[in-house]
Amino acid sequence: EVQLAESGGDLVRPGRSLRLSCVASGFIFDDYGMHWVRQAPGKGLEWVAGINWNSGKIAYADSVKGRFTISRDNTKNSLYLQMNSLRPEDMALYYCAKAGGRGHNYGDFDNWGQGTLVTVSS
Amino acid sequence: SYVLTQPPSVSVAPGKTATITCGGDHIGRKSVHWYQKKSGQAPVIIMSYDIERPSGIPERFSGSLSGNPATLTISRVEAGDEADYFCQVWDSDSAIFGGGTKLTVL
Repeated sequence: EVQLAESGGDLVRPGRSLRLSCVASGFIFDDYGMHWVRQAPGKGLEWVAGINWNSGKIAYADSVKGRFTISRDNTKNSLYLQMNSLRPEDMALYYCAKAGGRGHNYGDFDNWGQGTLVTVSS
Repeated sequence: SYVLTQPPSVSVAPGKTATITCGGDHIGRKSVHWYQKKSGQAPVIIMSYDIERPSGIPERFSGSLSGNPATLTISRVEAGDEADYFCQVWDSDSAIFGGGTKLTVL
C-alpha cells in the first residue's frame, strides 16, 4: 500500500522560511516523479512543484518560482519543499503527491498524502 | 496562462446522473485527469487520461474521450458521492487544476 506522510507544517511569520518533508513507502520511490500540491482555505487545488525520478528535471508554479525549492533524496524515500520568503497567500494545506510515471510534467497524481498545514501570519 | 473552467456546483437527486464539465482552450487535445475530494480527506484520482478508471473506482464513474468540454459522468449517484471534483491537465510544464465543482446530492 502506497503511503505518503507529510510533515513540517507550522505557523510562521511573513518573510520567514519553512521546510516540508514527505516520507514515502509502499512503492519503489525512485521509479516515480513526485509533486507538491496545495489547497488554501476555501479554495481549490493548486500545483506547486514537481520533480522527476532522478531530480534531473524540476518545474514550479509561477506563484512560487524563485522562492520555493523542491528536492528529493531517493536513499531516504523522501521529498522536500524548501519555502523561503513566505507570504500570507502561501498559507495552505500542502499535499505530497505521487506521479503516475517517472516524469515531472505529465500524467496524473495517483496517490496523495494527508497534507501538512502551513500558516503564514504575523 | 492556461485556464480550466468548471461549474462551481452541481446538484442531483440520488439514483440520477450527474455530469461535471471542464472547459479549456483545445482541451480535446490534452489528457484530462479527475480527482474527488471529500471534506477533511486527501484528493483521490477517479479518472485518468480521460477515460481510464483506476482500480477500486466504481463503474458508475466515467469520462469523455477528447471531448470539449471534458466531462465526468456519475451514474446512479449515491449520497457518498457528495464531494468536490477537480479536473487537471498539463500545459507548458505546469499542472493546471480546474476551480472545482461541488457535487450536492439532494
